[in-house]
Amino acid sequence: DAGITQSPRHKVTETGTPVTLRCHQTENHRYMYWYRQDPGHGLRLIHYSYGVKDTDKGEVSDGYSVSRSKTEDFLLTLESATSSQTSVYFCASGSSDLSYEQYFGPGTRLTVT
Amino acid sequence: ELKVEQNPLFLSMQEGKNYTIYCNYSTTSDRLYWYRQDPGKSLESLFVLLSNGAVKQEGRLMASLDTKARLSTLHITAAVHDLSATYFCAVEPGNQFYFGTGTSLTVIP
Repeated sequence: DAGITQSPRHKVTETGTPVTLRCHQTENHRYMYWYRQDPGHGLRLIHYSYGVKDTDKGEVSDGYSVSRSKTEDFLLTLESATSSQTSVYFCASGSSDLSYEQYFGPGTRLTVT
Repeated sequence: ELKVEQNPLFLSMQEGKNYTIYCNYSTTSDRLYWYRQDPGKSLESLFVLLSNGAVKQEGRLMASLDTKARLSTLHITAAVHDLSATYFCAVEPGNQFYFGTGTSLTVIP
């Protein structure tokens, strides 16, 4: 399995506070992704990165920002958390070789009260 | 609006039986992905289908892709309890992944 970790694994925060989730991969993968998973919606892409400092918006990017200053780290920030951002967040990474595989981290359960 | 639809959403099947999960998508995509997720766990990649007519098999699971019909199938042969999980398909038009809502499979002894 690809080495992908997420931190924290669980977080409870209050509405209006900033929150940063971290994704760290040790596979030197070029691509990294942030998803949220909610019942009835499957996984939805928030933002993705195709290289250091190269990021783009996904399907549900409003209220989220990302940064990637190193190949191995991809940060997701909720500038001012809202209850609608309560979810399970998954990070994934993938290389640009012919396998097109995506490897997922263990997930972060975020609760906004 | 891009849509990825799976059916059925819930599937309860007896051990030893065969069944097929369908994934329809509304946009052009050269690749189709299948993932498995166990309760409370992360997603595990099962198959990456790279071209029209692609067929891949692993154990009791076989996936196929028809890009002209925008349809992929995941066929389960002689189901066993260990296959109980939620299965997702996903497409990737232009570096962005779009997932179906998942099929929750329960295999009953």
